[in-house]
Amino acid sequence: DQQVKQNSPSLSVQEGRISILNCDYTNSMFDYFLWYKKYPAEGPTFLISISSIKDKNEDGRFTVFLNKSAKHLSLHIVPSQPGDSAVYFCAASGNFGNEKLTFGTGTRLTIIP
Amino acid sequence: DAGITQSPRHKVTETGTPVTLRCHQTENHRYMYWYRQDPGHGLRLIHYSYGVKDTDKGEVSDGYSVSRSKTEDFLLTLESATSSQTSVYFCATATGGTQYFGPGTRLLVL
Repeated sequence: DQQVKQNSPSLSVQEGRISILNCDYTNSMFDYFLWYKKYPAEGPTFLISISSIKDKNEDGRFTVFLNKSAKHLSLHIVPSQPGDSAVYFCAASGNFGNEKLTFGTGTRLTIIP
Repeated sequence: DAGITQSPRHKVTETGTPVTLRCHQTENHRYMYWYRQDPGHGLRLIHYSYGVKDTDKGEVSDGYSVSRSKTEDFLLTLESATSSQTSVYFCATATGGTQYFGPGTRLLVL
């Protein structure tokens, strides 16, 4: 039972354009959402997060949008740069007292120069 | 980034042998986790710890055990390695709702 879903395994975007990565979740108890970025042969690194009390959070070129009614979140990268080429994981957690995260299966983003 | 190291970084072993992977953190974080990453599955939780000697199972715990005798160390043991346990293993710690990951251990079971 995949509680966090990333339905696009891969995405290619031209350098300078907007990259939009999507994530859906099914568990209504999730109240905190994160995006991680992973380069080959490295561990995932935290990118940006959003609490369920917000619908948008911005950090430089990265913006995360949360639509609670649709149980959907998206990560926007503007403008896209070659160094953004990586696998992006969406993750979610709830107030369960153990800080556990449930991860999606990832989307491989390729920025075309 | 939290100071998280994993050892070994690469290991090749044979089916049926025991294997122990080590995770060491310098951040004094209470929570620690072991994940495996496989194509098409993303990151799946094996076991986690919420304090010294306090551990619990994740979604793919069969064939794995863990121990945490000190805050800074979290060990993952494959009791009798199988080819299905060939994977990349990541350790993580958590604080403030965010997890921080180590560099990973690539394990090949022949």
